[in-house]
Amino acid sequence: QKEVEQDPGPLSVPEGAIVSLNCTYSNSAFQYFMWYRQYSRKGPELLMYTYSSGNKEDGRFTAQVDKSSKYISLFIRDSQPSDSATYLCAMNSGGYQKVTFGTGTKLQVIP
Amino acid sequence: EAQVTQNPRYLITVTGKKLTVTCSQNMNHEYMSWYRQDPGLGLRQIYYSMNVEVTDKGDVPEGYKVSRKEKRNFPLILESPSPNQTSLYFCASSSFADSNQPQHFGDGTRLSIL
Repeated sequence: QKEVEQDPGPLSVPEGAIVSLNCTYSNSAFQYFMWYRQYSRKGPELLMYTYSSGNKEDGRFTAQVDKSSKYISLFIRDSQPSDSATYLCAMNSGGYQKVTFGTGTKLQVIP
Repeated sequence: EAQVTQNPRYLITVTGKKLTVTCSQNMNHEYMSWYRQDPGLGLRQIYYSMNVEVTDKGDVPEGYKVSRKEKRNFPLILESPSPNQTSLYFCASSSFADSNQPQHFGDGTRLSIL
């Protein structure tokens, strides 16, 4: 079993929809949770990160962490075609020693 | 402009021929790391460095070497490449204050080992 599981998609939604992207994990030591966006032929771009449980909002993006369920989510409101990309979750237990990534969910927002 | 620059972007080579992928960042970041990205496996950490002359293994270090002689540079060395090292490679950097999350990634180096 992988430490971090992420549905690969693809996920297709109409422009303006609310998108929900999710990851589950098995390592209860994870404390830091990140979301990255990766466009084709580009490196990942850090979108948001949170420490421990709770919510964090940044513009149209909201990250949620539920440590009791070992489940994290990224919500995108009012999705735009420019949001079409692969979204990677990542997490670690603290320090730079090891960051574990999900395999990514491919999102397509259709105009 | 804050940048992580990798070279080359694409390389096709043969088994056993030593190669180096360079990585340079202009943000004076302490932390740098290398990842490989494979379909179905995601990004896996190869090596990381917390500062000059301080490096350590990640999840998949076999067959790779690194060095950190200058703060801005973190080259990845494949001394005897094999076909199973065909992959998409990314270098990343972070400041000490943001050490828990890789902040800036390069645009990748696609290596094909024949």
